[in-house]
Amino acid sequence: DIQMTQSPSSLSASVGDRVTFTCQASQDISNHLNWYQQKPGKAPKLLIYDASNLETGVPSRFRGSGSGTAFTFTISSLQPEDIATYFCQQYDNLPLTFGGGTRVDFK
Amino acid sequence: DVQLVESGGGLVEPGTSLRLSCAASGFTFSSFNMNWVRQAPGKGLEWVSTISSSSNYIYYADSVKGRFTISRDDAENSLYLQMNSPRADDTAIYYCARGALFCSGGNCYPKYFQHWGQGTLVIVSS
Repeated sequence: DIQMTQSPSSLSASVGDRVTFTCQASQDISNHLNWYQQKPGKAPKLLIYDASNLETGVPSRFRGSGSGTAFTFTISSLQPEDIATYFCQQYDNLPLTFGGGTRVDFK
Repeated sequence: DVQLVESGGGLVEPGTSLRLSCAASGFTFSSFNMNWVRQAPGKGLEWVSTISSSSNYIYYADSVKGRFTISRDDAENSLYLQMNSPRADDTAIYYCARGALFCSGGNCYPKYFQHWGQGTLVIVSS
């Protein structure tokens, strides 16, 4: 199975900050990576697919990049509604696997 | 609007059985592949199973293979997960999700989960 490692597991930031965290795959997955946002008590929401494509309706302050084994998720200017846990997910090979998540909260 | 509503969760004893349902609306159900994804309390996400439109492709995580069965009824716009011989480590919120497929080498595989239900909680305990 492909292991997905996210870091850090949590971070604190202020409104307006640029926030960046990473997802590392245990083997080359090309750009076969998606990012989800999950708010407490809610279902996950797809934000980015194919490593860098923004899902329809998702604000442009969210950005994904990377390929191969190293991927980055960036929020250009943190907003109050962005407080959530973010998960990466690979689809290069079955089983589909998710990273452990990065929890973003306010300082 | 796409709506997915799961039901059937609850407390179940190990070794018995339970069937989860997902009622879909707001889209042409028969045209889309469907998935189950679960999340143990306070933990991360785990893909469970995928069924393509027309049921041509069916996939399971190793952790549930041989115990769980995914199925769909396109006439009823419904997705199901038959859970046999559940174990304590199957305790989780089970989400129904509509997704897309990634096709390569003549086969198609689940790609992402675009729309999710609110989830149904399954607790396996004696």
